Amino acid sequence: SQTIHQWPATLVQPVGSPLSLECTVEGTSNPNLYWYRQAAGRGLQLLFYSVGIGQISSEVPQNLSASRPQDRQFILSSKKLLLSDSGFYLCAWKASGVTDTQYFGPGTRLTVL
Amino acid sequence: GESVGLHLPTLSVQEGDNSIINCAYSNSASDYFIWYKQESGKGPQFIIDIRSNMDKRQGQRVTVLLNKTVKHLSLQIAATQPGDSAVYFCAERRAGTYKYIFGTGTRLKVLA
Repeated sequence: SQTIHQWPATLVQPVGSPLSLECTVEGTSNPNLYWYRQAAGRGLQLLFYSVGIGQISSEVPQNLSASRPQDRQFILSSKKLLLSDSGFYLCAWKASGVTDTQYFGPGTRLTVL
Repeated sequence: GESVGLHLPTLSVQEGDNSIINCAYSNSASDYFIWYKQESGKGPQFIIDIRSNMDKRQGQRVTVLLNKTVKHLSLQIAATQPGDSAVYFCAERRAGTYKYIFGTGTRLKVLA
């Protein structure tokens, strides 16, 4: 069966510090991968998605970036965090091909102080 | 954990009653829809999905109804239980894209 992992689970970072959040998927090959952000009391905002290694589509221009160095690894980064980067970051995957269901990881809660 | 749904519309139902959560979607070209359940501090959990060539789909205690004419989606939960308390999101997938667009969410509170 497929499993999705995210780490760390929680993170407190000062303004201006760098960020690296990691997401890995097990039990599937060539998944579509997604990063979302959820502010408190809000819905999910799509940040990036990837349909293959090295391919990244950006949905929201900001100080975040994403990379996919391996088939089942998706990384969210920032060189300098802003207060507004605080939120709940969710990674999700969808199997390639005809299936459409998207599954989410457990999330990372980021607080920027 | 993370608090979600602080400013979301809330539906309060008595334990054992049926719940109906509604969602309006935006794009008539959307061809696939999902309902998720999100508990506080956790990632959204898949509940049920439906394609645009259907108007109803049933799962265990849940039913999704799709009305393409008015671009409306609903989730019905039968015999609501305390464990159903959570925030529920609908999502639409635009045909020919890889992107999913999420609704704002509804908090379901089950009263004992």
